[in-house]
Amino acid sequence: ILNVEQSPQSLHVQEGDSTNFTCSFPSSNFYALHWYRWETAKSPEALFVMTLNGDEKKKGRISATLNTKEGYSYLYIKGSQPEDSATYLCAFHGSGNTGKLIFGQGTTLQVKP
Amino acid sequence: EPEVTQTPSHQVTQMGQEVILRCVPISNHLYFYWYRQILGQKVEFLVSFYNNEISEKSEIFDDQFSVERPDGSNFTLKIRSTKLEDSAMYFCASIPDGGRRYNEQFFGPGTRLTVL
Repeated sequence: ILNVEQSPQSLHVQEGDSTNFTCSFPSSNFYALHWYRWETAKSPEALFVMTLNGDEKKKGRISATLNTKEGYSYLYIKGSQPEDSATYLCAFHGSGNTGKLIFGQGTTLQVKP
Repeated sequence: EPEVTQTPSHQVTQMGQEVILRCVPISNHLYFYWYRQILGQKVEFLVSFYNNEISEKSEIFDDQFSVERPDGSNFTLKIRSTKLEDSAMYFCASIPDGGRRYNEQFFGPGTRLTVL
């Protein structure tokens, strides 16, 4: 059974703090690793799709790294803002399938002003 | 900006009743998915659909579930006889190109199904 795990489960930080989350996933049959940002009552929104070992992607204050050999990805948020409060989901996309995503349980971030 | 829409946002039904959850994917998208999240659990894959047929389904997607794209725009998930354990948030997603399945998936806002 393919398993994707995220840690921590939840995080409370002060505005301006930098933070990071971990996603661990199977290191075999890797195709892509997706990060999504999900605010309550809204659609999950794609942040990054990462495919290459060693890849690093950045979008504003948010960045992510990928290690496919050991099966982990980090998501970093620099200088957290209250609007960053959301659940961050990672999802493993294995090779040879139809795009099926296997999700972690998510990390819920709350940024206090 | 184009978006995936889902209706209704919340559906309450009695156990044993049939429900149909509706999704309108982005218009030029070719590959479609249903996922669900039971409260407190992970988002889990149900089914993928391409070229008017199911391309993959999970163990959850048993004979009680079916999908179709009746008119080229709507994408529906039917549960024939709902059970209490079907209560969950159901998400529809789509991608533009069936040949490049590493693309980000575009998700709808979900339908919360409550089975009483």
